[in-house]
Amino acid sequence: RKEVEQDPGPFNVPEGATVAFNCTYSNSASQSFFWYRQDCRKEPKLLMSVYSSGNEDGRFTAQLNRASQYISLLIRDSKLSDSATYLCVASISGSARQLTFGSGTQLTVLP
Amino acid sequence: GAVVSQHPSRVICKSGTSVKIECRSLDFQATTMFWYRQFPKQSLMLMATSNEGSKATYEQGVEKDKFLINHASLTLSTLTVTSAHPEDSSFYICSARADTYTGELFFGEGSRLTVL
Repeated sequence: RKEVEQDPGPFNVPEGATVAFNCTYSNSASQSFFWYRQDCRKEPKLLMSVYSSGNEDGRFTAQLNRASQYISLLIRDSKLSDSATYLCVASISGSARQLTFGSGTQLTVLP
Repeated sequence: GAVVSQHPSRVICKSGTSVKIECRSLDFQATTMFWYRQFPKQSLMLMATSNEGSKATYEQGVEKDKFLINHASLTLSTLTVTSAHPEDSSFYICSARADTYTGELFFGEGSRLTVL
């Protein structure tokens, strides 16, 4: 079983739609969680950290459920520029060596 | 913002040759850098942790004699793929952890290696 599992998609949604990505992690010792965005053939870029209380950044909302070991990302009013692969990342500690990446969920926003 | 430069961005080589990839932090010092490999439609897999002035720490299953890592300064780490074979063709990405309180992580742009 993968340590961090994501639905690979692809998700094809019309512009303006709301889309949700789910992610589960198997290591209960994981303490920090992130969503990264990766464009085709580019490096991943930090989208947002995920906090237990849930956090929002503009059109993006991240949620964490430690009991279920589940993380989510919600994108509202999706834009064409949101098309990318979204990577769910878990970390056992603050050490970046322990970053575990999911395989990513591909999103395509259609005009 | 902080920038990590990776070079070359794309390299094609013949089987059996060695290829060196550089990872450079441009405006910050990074005692620790990381090397990842990513195959198409798969997640980033950590290969090794590069520590300035000491030997790299390799993840299980990664051959240290094949993937040579050198971190000679606080701003530069290099990964050399020795005697490359077609199965080594992949996207190699480095990241650097800033030597600051927050220890934020920055990724390089990646290097696409194709071995013929």
